[in-house]
Amino acid sequence: EAQVTQNPRYLITVTGKKLTVTCSQNMNHEYMSWYRQDPGLGLRQIYYSMNVEVTDKGDVPEGYKVSRKEKRNFPLILESPSPNQTSLYFCASSRPGLAASTDTQYFGPGTRLTVL
Amino acid sequence: AQSVAQPEDQVNVAEGNPLTVKCTYSVSGNPYLFWYVQYPNRGLQFLLKYITGDNLVKGSYGFEAEFNKSQTSFHLKKPSALVSDSALYFCAVRDRMDSSYKLIFGSGTRLLVRP
Repeated sequence: EAQVTQNPRYLITVTGKKLTVTCSQNMNHEYMSWYRQDPGLGLRQIYYSMNVEVTDKGDVPEGYKVSRKEKRNFPLILESPSPNQTSLYFCASSRPGLAASTDTQYFGPGTRLTVL
Repeated sequence: AQSVAQPEDQVNVAEGNPLTVKCTYSVSGNPYLFWYVQYPNRGLQFLLKYITGDNLVKGSYGFEAEFNKSQTSFHLKKPSALVSDSALYFCAVRDRMDSSYKLIFGSGTRLLVRP
């Protein structure tokens, strides 16, 4: 089954304790992206990756890091989480190509993070 | 600045009645337009998209959306609502010229279909 998976689905942590949220897709997609969802704000892009070893900042990258060492994985790293990073996080993937911008982004199930 | 507006936080309809969830956008050029649905404790599921061509787009689960360039709108519609349609709906746009392929989302509209 074609899918985007995220782990963990739920996480409660404390300020300053480094954490990683994993994202994996089995569709051989080149493009992957992280969004955060906050009430009344919709989803906002944090980081994206066009391919292995190619990453760039989205609209709200402060406090986050990413890496793309393999095509299927795109982990989101919070080196020193703070309460304002409490949010619902989504990973997405798609396959840019000749019709790059028209491709649909497929989303993972989300990770609900609470930072105390 | 690019933006998407979903003016209604919640839409209430009776089962069997038609429904409309509104979306307007402000993006330069000719954007690509999407609708996603989010069920409780689930990720976003793709419903439909407008790229070019016919202004009326048909998607999953009987939903359709009408692109109106002059009004910069992309309203989601369904002729006959089901209780199972109750969920959170997001409109999103992508600037054709944006190399990040970023989706710009509206704030979401909660649809409640009562039996």
